[in-house]
Amino acid sequence: GAGVSQSPSNKVTEKGKDVELRCDPISGHTALYWYRQSLGQGLEFLIYFQGNSAPDKSGLPSDRFSAERTGGSVSTLTIQRTQQEDSAVYLCASSTRGQVGSPLHFGNGTRLTVT
Amino acid sequence: SQQGEEDPQALSIQEGENATMNCSYKTSINNLQWYRQNSGRGLVHLILIRSNEREKHSGRLRVTLDTSKKSSSLLITASRAADTASYFCATNNDMRFGAGTRLTVKP
Repeated sequence: GAGVSQSPSNKVTEKGKDVELRCDPISGHTALYWYRQSLGQGLEFLIYFQGNSAPDKSGLPSDRFSAERTGGSVSTLTIQRTQQEDSAVYLCASSTRGQVGSPLHFGNGTRLTVT
Repeated sequence: SQQGEEDPQALSIQEGENATMNCSYKTSINNLQWYRQNSGRGLVHLILIRSNEREKHSGRLRVTLDTSKKSSSLLITASRAADTASYFCATNNDMRFGAGTRLTVKP
């Protein structure tokens, strides 16, 4: 079956512009995570959605970052007024049961470059 | 809070040797998971070990869990060049990942 799909795969934007990154999770997966990975670094947790519960936004680095998940499926991560330090690979993952402990399935990420 | 912390940060071995990397965490867990990342893109799930398990095997992978020390280890036996990747751990509590262990297997 289809895996987690992220789009675009690459995005180059000018400093100050807004960007939207999209994640299509595996059908039926109730949990969805966003992470950020700067070059050569580990994964930085951003936000977690679980079903209809309020999302865990504790990892969002600033109020320029926001995310939503419509209809419990597709998620969009929005970065407003992008800065050069936002350049990174943004990874999305989904799982069947979230924190109960089922494995995460990752997309291939969106590589964001802010010039 | 960040649960999984891997060490060493980098490990370089010859093909055929065994590779061991470790993971420490802070609070009680239900399970701990190991992942591999090959190319700076998506991570791939390798193995999950539950808190009531002490050891688990999958092919050339062996994972141990010591809940008293809040630590886990991942052993890759008879390593191959294709095992070159970054390896990460995370616990079920929050699925936060550490910086990972960068494994290089030289042919």
